[in-house]
Amino acid sequence: NAGVMQNPRHLVRRRGQEARLRCSPMKGHSHVYWYRQLPEEGLKFMVYLQKENIIDESGMPKERFSAEFPKEGPSILRIQQVVRGDSAAYFCASSPGSRQGAYEQYFGPGTRLTVT
Amino acid sequence: TQLLEQSPQFLSIQEGENLTVYCNSSSVFSSLQWYRQEPGEGPVLLVTVVTGGEVKKLKRLTFQFGDARKDSSLHITAAQPGDTGLYLCAGVPVKAAGNKLTFGGGTRVLVKP
Repeated sequence: NAGVMQNPRHLVRRRGQEARLRCSPMKGHSHVYWYRQLPEEGLKFMVYLQKENIIDESGMPKERFSAEFPKEGPSILRIQQVVRGDSAAYFCASSPGSRQGAYEQYFGPGTRLTVT
Repeated sequence: TQLLEQSPQFLSIQEGENLTVYCNSSSVFSSLQWYRQEPGEGPVLLVTVVTGGEVKKLKRLTFQFGDARKDSSLHITAAQPGDTGLYLCAGVPVKAAGNKLTFGGGTRVLVKP
C-alpha cells in the first residue's frame, strides 16, 4: 500500500523558470493538500483540492502559483517565473475524506525547490 | 503569534530521560494531530486525538488532549536516540472553514546516547 508519492524530490530552477511539482495521493484518497515549509519556518497551508476541483486556495499566493488535480493523473503545483523566495520544501498530503474520522492527512516526502 | 504554540522550541536530553512537549492555543480544535518529521523527509502522522480529555498511548509515547480541546501534550518515557526529530502538532480549528491544517512551530528533540 504505497504512501503519498511526490516527484521530483529535489528541483533546481533558475530565476524566471517554471517549476512543476507532482503529487500522487495514497490509494483510495481523493483529497489533496499542498503545504510549504520555508527554511526555519513552520508548515503553511497553500491549497486544498479534490478531483477536478479547487476547494480552498486561501493560502496560495495570488500570482505565479497554480494547482490542479485532474480526473486522471497526479496533482500538480505549478510555479511560474520562480524567484529566490520560492525556495522551500513543498509537501503534499492526502486524506480519504473531509468528514470527521476521515480527514487525517498523510504527507509525502516533499519536493525541495532551490531557485538559483 | 501562531494559532498553535509549541513549547519548548528545543529540547536536548540524555537517553533514558523523560520529556514532555506542549501544544497550546486559545482556539478550540475539533481534533489535534501529532507528527514527527526527520531532516529531508515529510511529517509522519503519530496520532490523532479527538475527544476532550482523551489520552492515547503509543508504546513509550503518551498523548493527551485537553478537556477544552485547546491544548495537547506529548510525553515520551525513557527516550531513545531514535526519538530524535522535529515534533509537530497540527489541527483544524472548529471555527475555521475547510480542512486546512494549522501547524505549530515544532519542537526539536535531541536524545543523546
